Amino acid sequence: LAKTTQPISMDSYEGQEVNITCSHNNIATNDYITWYQQFPSQGPRFIIQGYKTKVTNEVASLFIPADRKSSTLSLPRVSLSDTAVYYCLVGYSSASKIIFGSGTRLSIRP
Amino acid sequence: KAGVTQTPRYLIKTRGQQVTLSCSPISGHRSVSWYQQTPGQGLQFLFEYFSETQRNKGNFPGRFSGRQFSNSRSEMNVSTLELGDSALYLCASSASGTAFYEQYFGPGTRLTVT
Repeated sequence: LAKTTQPISMDSYEGQEVNITCSHNNIATNDYITWYQQFPSQGPRFIIQGYKTKVTNEVASLFIPADRKSSTLSLPRVSLSDTAVYYCLVGYSSASKIIFGSGTRLSIRP
Repeated sequence: KAGVTQTPRYLIKTRGQQVTLSCSPISGHRSVSWYQQTPGQGLQFLFEYFSETQRNKGNFPGRFSGRQFSNSRSEMNVSTLELGDSALYLCASSASGTAFYEQYFGPGTRLTVT
């Protein structure tokens, strides 16, 4: 049974780098991992996506180790506006399953 | 471009009734997916439609159904509502043609079952 777990909550300070890890099992080499950000009363918003090694865009980086049993979202120099819930999503292509992680509530302090 | 729109935004129904929710994807997006979000279960995938065909389905009972029209707009129906169906129902569309890649979410429909 596919399962995706994340830390329930994390705290950090403005200007710091934050790393949020998602643990997933039975993920195939071509299964994509996607991260979303959600603010209260809004739908999730796409942050970044990848399926191997490292991906970087203008707002975040995604690291996927060789064993593919986890992935890490890295947010450089966070600000107060990054306070939100962050979800990982794993698309198990062979099983046609889409599984969201339980979400990590990130709180940024001044 | 306009984002994903969902109607209605809020809905109150009684146990045993049925409900239909509507979703209009971003123009040009042909993949539409539906999700249920509750405090207890988090975000759960309901189903995905592409070109009017259901492509993937989550682990929900048959009371939950959907359809997609030729203009890519989608509807979700829940029959014989139960108290546990109270949730935020989110719709998402994808330019890539599949929910496995980048999706754009609507604001959701808040359904309350009494």
